[in-house]
Amino acid sequence: KAGVTQTPRYLIKTRGQQVTLSCSPISGHRSVSWYQQTPGQGLQFLFEYFSETQRNKGNFPGRFSGRQFSNSRSEMNVSTLELGDSALYLCASSLRSGVADTQYFGPGTRLTVL
Amino acid sequence: AQRVTQPEKLLSVFKGAPVELKCNYSYSGSPELFWYVQYSRQRLQLLLRHISRESIKGFTADLNKGETSFHLKKPFAQEEDSAMYYCALSPLYNDYKLSFGAGTTVTVRA
Repeated sequence: KAGVTQTPRYLIKTRGQQVTLSCSPISGHRSVSWYQQTPGQGLQFLFEYFSETQRNKGNFPGRFSGRQFSNSRSEMNVSTLELGDSALYLCASSLRSGVADTQYFGPGTRLTVL
Repeated sequence: AQRVTQPEKLLSVFKGAPVELKCNYSYSGSPELFWYVQYSRQRLQLLLRHISRESIKGFTADLNKGETSFHLKKPFAQEEDSAMYYCALSPLYNDYKLSFGAGTTVTVRA
């Protein structure tokens, strides 16, 4: 099976812009979660989507949003970018939602905000 | 609230020596605990989880609910064990959200 894929792998944006990141889960996986990884804060949960519905959300401002499509692919959007949004954004997929299934991670998208 | 603490940022051991990575957690409900590993230039991947009770690559971890710990151990470290290790917790049911510790970088020296 192909693993979780994320596009693009690298992005450079300037403050105030918006960005959309994409994640394709492992075939058959219906849950997609997003994480932000920074040197200062480590790995932090952003949100989880299952069956096109957001099931859970971490402590991030409303500028961070996401959606999931009927084929389980997910996108994450960050509006009005700030310097502090520079991070590695990881996507993970799992079979189910609501239970502690093993998460399979993608390679990440490295976002740099100038 | 759920919280995971890994007190050691860096751990250096000699090949063949035992290695133990500490993980303490805080959660009022029933948790599931995981260890994830990230080797150089590879993606984050599951090493082991409590519920499966498997030993992977010689690593084991025991959930101690009294001490709220889930330490990772291996009796004889190998050079290929050099990596970043993350302890993580999620509620066993409902309100799924994976919380990670800060991670421990392990270097195994020849």
